[in-house]
Amino acid sequence: DAGVIQSPRHEVTEMGQEVTLRCKPISGHDYLFWYRQTMMRGLELLIYFNNNVPIDDSGMPEDRFSAKMPNASFSTLKIQPSEPRDSAVYFCASSFSVGNSLPQHFGDGTRLSIL
Amino acid sequence: GQSLEQPSEVTAVEGAIVQINCTYQTSGFYGLSWYQQHDGGAPTFLSYNALDGLEETGRFSSFLSRSDSYGYLLLQELQMKDSASYFCAVRDRAHGSGNTGKLIFGQGTTLQVKP
Repeated sequence: DAGVIQSPRHEVTEMGQEVTLRCKPISGHDYLFWYRQTMMRGLELLIYFNNNVPIDDSGMPEDRFSAKMPNASFSTLKIQPSEPRDSAVYFCASSFSVGNSLPQHFGDGTRLSIL
Repeated sequence: GQSLEQPSEVTAVEGAIVQINCTYQTSGFYGLSWYQQHDGGAPTFLSYNALDGLEETGRFSSFLSRSDSYGYLLLQELQMKDSASYFCAVRDRAHGSGNTGKLIFGQGTTLQVKP
């Protein structure tokens, strides 16, 4: 089975540009999470969806960040305008809502560098 | 608020046993999970404890004491490939009794296994 698929794997762009990160969750999973990982702040939850509906976006750092999930198989995280401090690895993860342990399955991440 | 504490680094030799501790403070607790992340890779699920006691999965075991807000990950018969970062994560139980699936991650413990 295919895991969580993220694109692009690497993104290098200049400050002020719009950045769009994409995620395809595992089929059948009804939770989708966006995380940001940096050395200083560790793994931070930005936003998560349940059945395509945003449930908690309290981790989104600023209005420059937005996320959408138009359907069960696709989500985007957009940064506009981008700044150098947004440089990080962005992970998407998905999980079931049914069960006990509810493991989250992570994609390979997008390594974002803002120059 | 919610916070998790775990050691930043642990070093051990091949074949040894190592224990990575995690203490947590949460407004609502649903369970303690452990994830492994190799350098540059995606976090992967290792184990989950909802009830007090020890859960064993091969060379890895995880323990939880809810009264002490404490858990640990035990790695036995260490191998070089176990060198990685290990994260404890608490499942958020906000919004009443609903199982949100949301995880709050600790800062991670970097395990270095030496020959």
